[in-house]
Amino acid sequence: SAVISQKPSRDICQRGTSLTIQCQVDSQVTMMFWYRQQPGQSLTLIATANQGSEATYESGFVIDKFPISRPNLTFSTLTVSNMSPEDSSIYLCSGTQGGPEAFFGQGTRLTVV
Amino acid sequence: GEDVEQSLFLSVREGDSSVINCTYTDSSSTYLYWYKQEPGAGLQLLTYIFSNMDMKQDQRLTVLLNKKDKHLSLRIADTQTGDSAIYFCAERGNQGGKLIFGQGTELSVKP
Repeated sequence: SAVISQKPSRDICQRGTSLTIQCQVDSQVTMMFWYRQQPGQSLTLIATANQGSEATYESGFVIDKFPISRPNLTFSTLTVSNMSPEDSSIYLCSGTQGGPEAFFGQGTRLTVV
Repeated sequence: GEDVEQSLFLSVREGDSSVINCTYTDSSSTYLYWYKQEPGAGLQLLTYIFSNMDMKQDQRLTVLLNKKDKHLSLRIADTQTGDSAIYFCAERGNQGGKLIFGQGTELSVKP
């Protein structure tokens, strides 16, 4: 199984600023995903991070707001841009290795003030 | 689009069995999952079941899948206070590895 290290684990940010969240996997993963969990809610997929090309975004999410990078098979970043209080959520990255298991990072708890 | 539904709350006494239910709509689901989330923590994969199976047992956990009714359940035997958490059901379709999650069931275990 893969272990995903995500950082920062939490942050408090001023509105209008941006935060970049990093995920490092201890082994190669074929697919990586970024999810958002708003307070008291379930997880919603933001995008699929594609290695070496632009991410594939779900309906309601756009690249200008959530730019994603995936330079190789073990690393990805998500940036939350021009933040507002509505962006306060837990952000989680996930990876799969071609099999059924989907591994998750510990999440980044973001509060925008 | 795909949808996954769960009841929001379940309360049981320590030592009893807990049964958490989930329904889904995607008939092309390949795998179905149960994750556990403790307060302030990330997601822990508890178990998963392939869509052509109807049961999977792993220690205190039993997963039942009724594919005809698109109904999934998680039974926790001899529930302990440490089992108190939110349990998420999720399904994976046949397009990539993305998961669709239910709303989560908050399990409260009383001593």
